[in-house]
Amino acid sequence: KNQVEQSPQSLIILEGKNCTLQCNYTVSPFSNLRWYKQDTGRGPVSLTIMTFSENTKSNGRYTATLDADTKQSSLHITASQLSDSASYICVVSASDYKLSFGAGTTVTVRA
Amino acid sequence: GAVVSQHPSRVICKSGTSVKIECRSLDFQATTMFWYRQFPKQSLMLMATSNEGSKATYEQGVEKDKFLINHASLTLSTLTVTSAHPEDSSFYICSATLAGGSSYNEQFFGPGTRLTVL
Repeated sequence: KNQVEQSPQSLIILEGKNCTLQCNYTVSPFSNLRWYKQDTGRGPVSLTIMTFSENTKSNGRYTATLDADTKQSSLHITASQLSDSASYICVVSASDYKLSFGAGTTVTVRA
Repeated sequence: GAVVSQHPSRVICKSGTSVKIECRSLDFQATTMFWYRQFPKQSLMLMATSNEGSKATYEQGVEKDKFLINHASLTLSTLTVTSAHPEDSSFYICSATLAGGSSYNEQFFGPGTRLTVL
């Protein structure tokens, strides 16, 4: 069964600090891995998409890494801002384009 | 580009009534649209996949007669929750993929519709 597990479930950080979110997956055959940001009461917005051959990708203060051998990914948020408070969802696409969603990590940035 | 809208953003209805939710791709043609449901503090769960001009494919456990999906054009899909019950209260999100696609076959998500059934 294809699964995506994220950790931690939630975290609180102070404004300006960095944090790293983890994603482990068992999806096979693997096509790509995406990180989405979902604000409360809104739809997910894509941050990064990585294929098998890409092991890092940045989008502003967000940097995602992918280790396809160990089936792990991380999302690093640098110099966090209050607007970074949201749920971050790891989504893995299999070769048949079926998406497997992680449960998300809720990030709260405090002033 | 690649904007998906949903209407309404919020709806409150009485138990037993039907509710229609629209999903539109505003600046692109969508080969395929997806409907998801999300309960509080849980991730998105795929309900059904719809292709323009054909019947939707429902995930296991999703009642097709209760959740009617119509994909009449390449820019519009509708989800009708029939005879709604309080347990149908949830956040419904649609997504769409570009006609012609990309190597990622990326899905673009709408902003969601909050349904509350009293």
